[in-house]
Amino acid sequence: GQNIDQPTEMTATEGAIVQINCTYQTSGFNGLFWYQQHAGEAPTFLSYNVLDGLEEKGRFSSFLSRSKGYSYLLLKELQMKDSASYLCAVSPTSGGSYIPTFGRGTSLIVHP
Amino acid sequence: DGGITQSPKYLFRKEGQNVTLSCEQNLNHDAMYWYRQDPGQGLRLIYYSQIVNDFQKGDIAEGYSVSREKKESFPLTVTSAQKNPTAFYLCASSPEGGYTDTQYFGPGTRLTVL
Repeated sequence: GQNIDQPTEMTATEGAIVQINCTYQTSGFNGLFWYQQHAGEAPTFLSYNVLDGLEEKGRFSSFLSRSKGYSYLLLKELQMKDSASYLCAVSPTSGGSYIPTFGRGTSLIVHP
Repeated sequence: DGGITQSPKYLFRKEGQNVTLSCEQNLNHDAMYWYRQDPGQGLRLIYYSQIVNDFQKGDIAEGYSVSREKKESFPLTVTSAQKNPTAFYLCASSPEGGYTDTQYFGPGTRLTVL
């Protein structure tokens, strides 16, 4: 089975830095995805981590520690448009199916 | 432009009626998925298909049915057996269904059963 845990909601100020954590317990692990979803819209891909360490893409970075079952998404220089839900999803290795399992998402509110 | 389309954006139905949600993709992807999203919940997998004419149940398949007669189309029928059908439904596709595949999502259909 799989268990994925994220904070339900976070708030931050425009221009600041915020870190959204995701912890997971899975029977098998291939990699971890982060998606962004604005209210009422489709999730869009942000990052995929397979190896331990930090990967940076502009204002967004994602970190993975396989041994600790832990990942975070780091958002720098926050903008109002970053207000969205951030979904963590784990890609498993069970039974030949690689379909990611999603966490409940973290709703980020950015205020002026 | 390649992408995934879902129609309609909003759908209202009376209790006890079956309803079919459309999902079409022109990305030439092999794998397609249906998810349900409820407030405070993550995406929960209903059905998925990795190849034409084949599909598998996800975690919450009861009360739903699908077909995959064409590579580009994966319609979902919400039957009257689904006890709580009001939700936001998302369709997705990925190139092969492999473990590194990024999923591409459609805009979603919000179904309200009255």
